[in-house]
Amino acid sequence: DVKVTQSSRYLVKRTGEKVFLECVQDMDHENMFWYRQDPGLGLRLIYFSYDVKMKEKGDIPEGYSVSREKKERFSLILESASTNQTSMYLCASRYSGANVLTFGAGSRLTVL
Amino acid sequence: TQLLEQSPQFLSIQEGENLTVYCNSSSVFSSLQWYRQEPGEGPVLLVTVVTGGEVKKLKRLTFQFGDARKDSSLHITAAQPGDTGLYLCAVIKAAGNKLTFGGGTRVLVKP
Repeated sequence: DVKVTQSSRYLVKRTGEKVFLECVQDMDHENMFWYRQDPGLGLRLIYFSYDVKMKEKGDIPEGYSVSREKKERFSLILESASTNQTSMYLCASRYSGANVLTFGAGSRLTVL
Repeated sequence: TQLLEQSPQFLSIQEGENLTVYCNSSSVFSSLQWYRQEPGEGPVLLVTVVTGGEVKKLKRLTFQFGDARKDSSLHITAAQPGDTGLYLCAVIKAAGNKLTFGGGTRVLVKP
């Protein structure tokens, strides 16, 4: 069964802390994405990557960075967490030849 | 304003009732997708519609793409508690080949 795995389901951090959210996929997909999900706003794209070491800004990249050193792993980094980054974060991957996203189960981050 | 407007935002119905949720835009799209997200999980693709006026059925779920390819609807017949979840529509924006999602409709089917 193909999978996108987000290592942390729930995190609680303090304002100013550095936060790493990890995502691993086992489908050899070229494209990987980070979305945040807030009630009534749906999913908003933060960053995406179409190849190792390649990244592009999505619609709301401010306050975030990403790292893709290996094809299967895409990390989202909050350099200095703030309370307005409290949210559900969803990782997804996609094969370049298709338009179907496969999502992880999400990481719920609370910043106090 | 969002590219995709979904309505209603929330719907609570009894088991056995029918429901319809909508996804609307002022833009024309080459295709549109519907995802369902169950509590504690990520969204899962239900269907992709590509042709204006197209109707697709998935058991008790009927998806329709508007003739002008600007809107879509999802109709559930005889809803069951297992249909509970967040229903999201999504389209690919021409630039960047990225999926953009609507705000979602949260459906609760009570037994």
